Formats: sequence, C-alpha cells, structure tokens
Amino acid sequence: AQSVAQPEDQVNVAEGNPLTVKCTYSVSGNPYLFWYVQYPNRGLQFLLKYITGDNLVKGSYGFEAEFNKSQTSFHLKKPSALVSDSALYFCAVRDKGGTGRRALTFGSGTRLQVQP
Amino acid sequence: GAGVSQSPRYKVAKRGQDVALRCDPISGHVSLFWYQQALGQGPEFLTYFQNEAQLDKSGLPSDRFFAERPEGSVSTLKIQRTQQEDSAVYLCASSLGARAVGDTQYFGPGTRLTVL
Repeated sequence: AQSVAQPEDQVNVAEGNPLTVKCTYSVSGNPYLFWYVQYPNRGLQFLLKYITGDNLVKGSYGFEAEFNKSQTSFHLKKPSALVSDSALYFCAVRDKGGTGRRALTFGSGTRLQVQP
Repeated sequence: GAGVSQSPRYKVAKRGQDVALRCDPISGHVSLFWYQQALGQGPEFLTYFQNEAQLDKSGLPSDRFFAERPEGSVSTLKIQRTQQEDSAVYLCASSLGARAVGDTQYFGPGTRLTVL
C-alpha cells in the first residue's frame, strides 16, 4: 500500500520570505512524486514531479521540491513567497513499478497562507 | 481550451435520485481517472480507464457507482440512488498513458455534487 503524509494543515508565511510545505511518503518500491495546487472552486493544477535523477526538481511559478530517499520526503519549496501563492497544496505518490496500479495517492493537503 | 472539462460543474440531487457526471479528457490522452474529493480532504481514487477498457475500479465505494468510457474518449460516472455521503467533488483527470514516463495526470475543474 502507498500513503502520503502532509503533517501541517496550514502554513503561514510573510510575502517575500521562503516557504516550505512538507510531505513524506510510503511506497513498496520506488516512487513517482507529484505536487499539485488547488485554488477555490477549481481542480488540481500540476506544479512539478520527481521521476528519477536529480533530487532537486524545478516546477511552475518558481516552485521546487527536493526528493530525499533516506527520509522518504518530498518537501515543496519556494525562495520568495507571493500573496498569490495562497492556496491548497497536495502531495501525491505513485509506485513506479506495480502491475498496472496507476492511481495517485494524495495527502490531506496543506493550506498555504501568504500574508502581505 | 485544451484542458480537461467536466459537466455539470454543480449538481444538486435529492436522496435516491440517479446522477450522471461527464468528463471530456485532453485530446489524445489514453488514460482517464476519476477521483472523489470530500470536503477538507485530498482526492481519493475511484476508477481508471486505458482507452475504453476499465482496468481498475478498486476505488468505487459501492455497486451504486458505475463508470464507462465506451469510445475511449468521453467518460461518464453514474451514481445510482444517491445518498448524502455521496456529496463531494468528483474530479476527472487524463494522461498520455503508460508510455509517458511519470505520466502526469491533468485534472478538470470537478463536479460538486450535493445530495439533499
């Protein structure tokens, strides 16, 4: 079975400061890892993914995430937060292997609030 | 627009009514997924299609839930005899398929179902 934990329900940060949204995962094999963002009354918007190779992944809107295999983590980061980054963020995992199991398993989400 | 579209965006049903939710995937996307997102939660997998074949329906919560994709494009999720616990946002996602490394899923805006 695969699972994702997002330990913080909400993260508050001042505009211009760096932000981190935490994610840890559990899979039986090697993971594909994803971050999505959800704005009110909208679907999930893809930010970035880790497939293989470089542990630091860069994505949309200046976001990046660092894959850490030993800590089974995939924290989302941004050097300088914007008020417009305020939204709900979801981490998701899928096992690279498996026999056809292609569904994503999502965390419960972290609400990011950036204060002006 | 080249994204995933869903209709209706909002649906109110009386308990016991049947509902049908439609998903139009991105053109050329082989894989199609349905997820259920309860209020304040992350999306949970319902079912997966590769072209017209339903390869995984392990997430469907009961036999009242039925999905189809008869021509390998548009998909319909049907819920029979709706119950209050079916109230949620139903998200559809599509992807290129197994040949795409990491195979990013792109989500539609969702259908918010409210069962009274």
